[in-house]
Amino acid sequence: AQKVTQAQTEISVVEKEDVTLDCVYETRDTTYYLFWYKQPPSGELVFLIRRNSFDEQNEISGRYSWNFQKSTSSFNFTITASQVVDSAVYFCALSRGGAAGNKLTFGGGTRVLVKP
Amino acid sequence: EPEVTQTPSHQVTQMGQEVILRCVPISNHLYFYWYRQILGQKVEFLVSFYNNEISEKSEIFDDQFSVERPDGSNFTLKIRSTKLEDSAMYFCASNSGLSKNIQYFGAGTRLSVL
Repeated sequence: AQKVTQAQTEISVVEKEDVTLDCVYETRDTTYYLFWYKQPPSGELVFLIRRNSFDEQNEISGRYSWNFQKSTSSFNFTITASQVVDSAVYFCALSRGGAAGNKLTFGGGTRVLVKP
Repeated sequence: EPEVTQTPSHQVTQMGQEVILRCVPISNHLYFYWYRQILGQKVEFLVSFYNNEISEKSEIFDDQFSVERPDGSNFTLKIRSTKLEDSAMYFCASNSGLSKNIQYFGAGTRLSVL
């Protein structure tokens, strides 16, 4: 069975501070994918990034960066110089690799509140 | 940019009534999903659909639920006899099958069962 744990339920920061969201996963699969989705107050789920289990390179996209460490089963997400528009719930998710179409298993989400 | 479209955005129904939630996945996508999110909780998988049949379903997806792709563009979720605990946000998602399982979600339908 797969499991994703986001231990931080809510993080509050002041604008321009950095914020790191933790994600720890469990899986018996040797091939898998990890994802981050953003859920702004409007409610939709917005895809941010996918990482496969063979690729442990860190990734940076603008103010967003991701740190994947297979040794600790973690896939953490950092927002640098946070902005009010970053206020949202962020979900980490996991799926089996291999064949397309596998379901996503989500963590409980971390609510980020960025204050001006 | 192509997107997944869900209607209605909010559905209110009486307990015991049937509801149909509608989704138009991204054109040319091959895999379709329904997830639900009870208020304040995590997003939970309900069912996946490929090649006109269910490929996987969760234990939540019992006999009260069914899915259909009636016309090659719509993808529907039917709840036959709604219960209070079915109140949730229901998300539809689609996946091209080419992008290593990236699922794109619609804006959701909020179902309120009274």
